[in-house]
Amino acid sequence: EVQLVESGGGLVQPGGSLRLSCAASGFTFSNYEMNWLRQAPGKGLEWVSYISSSGTTIYYADSVRGRFTISRDNAKNSLYLQMNSLRAEDTAVYYCARNTAIRKRYFDDWGQGTLVTVSS
Amino acid sequence: EIVLTQSPGTLSLSPGERATLSCRASQSVSSSNLAWYQQKPGQAPRLLIYGASSRASGIPDRFSGSGSGTDFTLIISRLEPEDFAVYYCQQYGSSPPYTFGQGTKLEIK
Repeated sequence: EVQLVESGGGLVQPGGSLRLSCAASGFTFSNYEMNWLRQAPGKGLEWVSYISSSGTTIYYADSVRGRFTISRDNAKNSLYLQMNSLRAEDTAVYYCARNTAIRKRYFDDWGQGTLVTVSS
Repeated sequence: EIVLTQSPGTLSLSPGERATLSCRASQSVSSSNLAWYQQKPGQAPRLLIYGASSRASGIPDRFSGSGSGTDFTLIISRLEPEDFAVYYCQQYGSSPPYTFGQGTKLEIK
């Protein structure tokens, strides 16, 4: 069974940093492209970042480029999102999600999400 | 960036009825790279449809998708109580950003 479990969310002050993790199991993590998405309270879904299976190709949404860094450790079956210079508008539930079709970036499997709250 | 507009914002129907949800793109979505998701309160989204019309694994056949270019439709042929949720469309063209519509809330009438 595919499992994606996010962790690392919490309350952080504006301008602060946080590192999210996503632990993957039930599949060969190193074979799959991965993403971070988010959902602000009561709002819709927003794609945040993509990383290829090898980690060599990375994309970001304009809203986070230069502040967030996606990475992965295939040996540890883990995906990460380093979030710096956090703003109130970054408050959201953050999901990691898997792509299963090559170069088709719809999101087959999702974690349960971790809440990030940016507030003083 | 491709902007997706879903309509209606809220759809009020009864179990057993047919639901028709629309997703319109601001420009043509390449190769019908459009997906639909269902999200229930407190849960992560669930993939229903990809490639505009292909059902994801385990999705009942009462869910169907159609469309191409800029106009796409999700139809739920006969609503079950568990189908009342928020539905999102998403485009995944050749380059990012991969954008979502604002959602359609399907509520019990």
